[in-house]
Amino acid sequence: KAGVTQTPRYLIKTRGQQVTLSCSPISGHRSVSWYQQTPGQGLQFLFEYFSETQRNKGNFPGRFSGRQFSNSRSEMNVSTLELGDSALYLCASSRVGGVVEAFFGQGTRLTVV
Amino acid sequence: AQSVTQLDSQVPVFEEAPVELRCNYSSSVSVYLFWYVQYPNQGLQLLLKYLSGSTLVKGINGFEAEFNKSQTSFHLRKPSVHISDTAEYFCAPPMDSNYQLIWGAGTKLIIKP
Repeated sequence: KAGVTQTPRYLIKTRGQQVTLSCSPISGHRSVSWYQQTPGQGLQFLFEYFSETQRNKGNFPGRFSGRQFSNSRSEMNVSTLELGDSALYLCASSRVGGVVEAFFGQGTRLTVV
Repeated sequence: AQSVTQLDSQVPVFEEAPVELRCNYSSSVSVYLFWYVQYPNQGLQLLLKYLSGSTLVKGINGFEAEFNKSQTSFHLRKPSVHISDTAEYFCAPPMDSNYQLIWGAGTKLIIKP
């Protein structure tokens, strides 16, 4: 079955702009999580969605937001981009229940100039 | 709740030599652990997982890990590495009750020709 699909793979934006990243989970997976990965901070949790509800949010400013649609696809939005937002953004999908592993997309490489 | 510590940020090793990447865990309850691999400019993929049963777990690409309860460790090993094993390796418990993955800091495996 198809894996987790993230679009776009690469993005270059200017400071002050906003950006929307998309994630399509594995079919049947209803939990979608987002992570930011930078060389200095490693993997940091942004938020998790299940059934269109955000169940948890990491320690990021309000400029970072997300949503999940009824088909479990998810988007994350970053407004008023800053240089420090340059990172690899990873989406992971999981089934729900039991000891779950995460399945990751290829990531979106965002560069803010 | 579980947490993990990866003791080495980088491990350089010659091609065809054996390698061990270290991970220690802390938990007061049942232990489940995963190793993920991230190749350059890619997302993460599951290498192997320990849920229960045999303490020696075999994964993809010739990797294996041994769960050691007395030493609270889950070290990853490969008897002979190849240049294609160049990647960053992450140890992690399953998604926690707050629906997020608590990552180790990652270990970069550097293969020397």
